[in-house]
Amino acid sequence: DGGITQSPKYLFRKEGQNVTLSCEQNLNHDAMYWYRQDPGQGLRLIYYSQIVNDFQKGDIAEGYSVSREKKESFPLTVTSAQKNPTAFYLCASSIRSDQETQYFGPGTRLLVL
Amino acid sequence: SQQGEEDPQALSIQEGENATMNCSYKTSINNLQWYRQNSGRGLVHLILIRSNEREKHSGRLRVTLDTSKKSSSLLITASRAADTASYFCAVGTGKLIFGQGTTLQVKP
Repeated sequence: DGGITQSPKYLFRKEGQNVTLSCEQNLNHDAMYWYRQDPGQGLRLIYYSQIVNDFQKGDIAEGYSVSREKKESFPLTVTSAQKNPTAFYLCASSIRSDQETQYFGPGTRLLVL
Repeated sequence: SQQGEEDPQALSIQEGENATMNCSYKTSINNLQWYRQNSGRGLVHLILIRSNEREKHSGRLRVTLDTSKKSSSLLITASRAADTASYFCAVGTGKLIFGQGTTLQVKP
C-alpha cells in the first residue's frame, strides 16, 4: 500500500521543548515538502527537499529544522524558537521537484500545553 | 507572491446543485492545480490545468483558466454530500503557493 504517513496524529509541546514530526513515503519520490496550515487558511511552505541530503527553506522556515538522510524520510523539528507552533502540519511528496502534482500525508496537529 | 486567492470563502448549497468557486493569482503561471481537503485530513489532488489550456474536465469537475484575467474557476456539477470539503487552488512547480480556500457545504 503506497503512500505518505505522518506521525503522530496529535502532538503536544511544552514551553521550551523541541518536538519532531515524522513523515515517511514509500512512493519512491525524490522531492518532499513540509507545510503549515493555520485555521481557515491555506498552506504555507516551511521547508522542501529536492533530493537526499539536500533541503531549502520555504517561506516560513524560522523556528523549524529538517533533515533528509534517507529518500523515504523527511522529519520536521519544531524548535523552542518557534513561538507560535500551534497549527496543522502537512507533509507532501512529488516524483521530482519539477513535477507539479504533490501527494499529501494525513497531517499532524501540534498543540501547545 | 503568486498567491492564489479564492472566492467565495464559504459556500453552502443543496445536494444536486452546482458549486462554483473562483481563484485569482498575481503573476504569470505555467499551470494551476485544484486540491480538496476533507476536515482535519490531508489534501487530495483533483485536477491540473496548464497555461495553454482554457478548460479541462474530470468526471463532475470542470476547470477553466483565463490567463488574461489571471483567474480560474472550479465547477462541481450535481453536488453530493460527500463533496463537502475545502477546496484550494495552487500555482507553481515544486514550491506551490496555495490560496486560502473555499469551504463547501453540501446539504443532503
